[in-house]
Amino acid sequence: AQTVTQSQPEMSVQEAETVTLSCTYDTSESNYYLFWYKQPPSRQMILVIRQEAYKQQNATENRFSVNFQKAAKSFSLKISDSQLGDTAMYFCAFMPRTSGTYKYIFGTGTRLKVLA
Amino acid sequence: DTAVSQTPKYLVTQMGNDKSIKCEQNLGHDTMYWYKQDSKKFLKIMFSYNNKELIINETVPNRFSPKSPDKAHLNLHINSLELGDSAVYFCASSGLENEQFFGPGTRLTVL
Repeated sequence: AQTVTQSQPEMSVQEAETVTLSCTYDTSESNYYLFWYKQPPSRQMILVIRQEAYKQQNATENRFSVNFQKAAKSFSLKISDSQLGDTAMYFCAFMPRTSGTYKYIFGTGTRLKVLA
Repeated sequence: DTAVSQTPKYLVTQMGNDKSIKCEQNLGHDTMYWYKQDSKKFLKIMFSYNNKELIINETVPNRFSPKSPDKAHLNLHINSLELGDSAVYFCASSGLENEQFFGPGTRLTVL
């Protein structure tokens, strides 16, 4: 069975500092997508960053970057220069690229609080 | 323009009632989903449709019935509501890049 594990239920970081959220997954697939989604108190789910497993290069979106370690099945999210608006639940998600399969599997989330 | 919209955003109802949640996307995506997010924020897929065809049907009580009249719409009907159905229900759609676009969620409270 495919699973996604986020081992940090809660984290906090001082404004302007850097924080890393961890995510590991288990799969026998070789080709898949990985995502980080953010859910602020407004409850809207927002895509933060995506990574395709066949790409070696780590994805980056402004202050957000990932450390993708395919062999270790690890996909951590680094937030640089943390801002108060980054306070949210963060979900790691996995989706296999198997043809006809559109099933996303989400981790249990990490609640991040950015402190002023 | 809202990409994925859901109505209503809040729904409070009595146990035993039947209710529907509507979802529409204007992104031209072929695939749509329903998720349930429980009180611990755990997000679990319930159903997925691709071009009006049901492709994922997780272990969901048959009181839940999705309907996709066209590929831009995916509605969720729930019969005989129970206390345990209280949750936030999210509709989502995905296109060729496979990233999901979520609706604002519907908070369902069953009394």
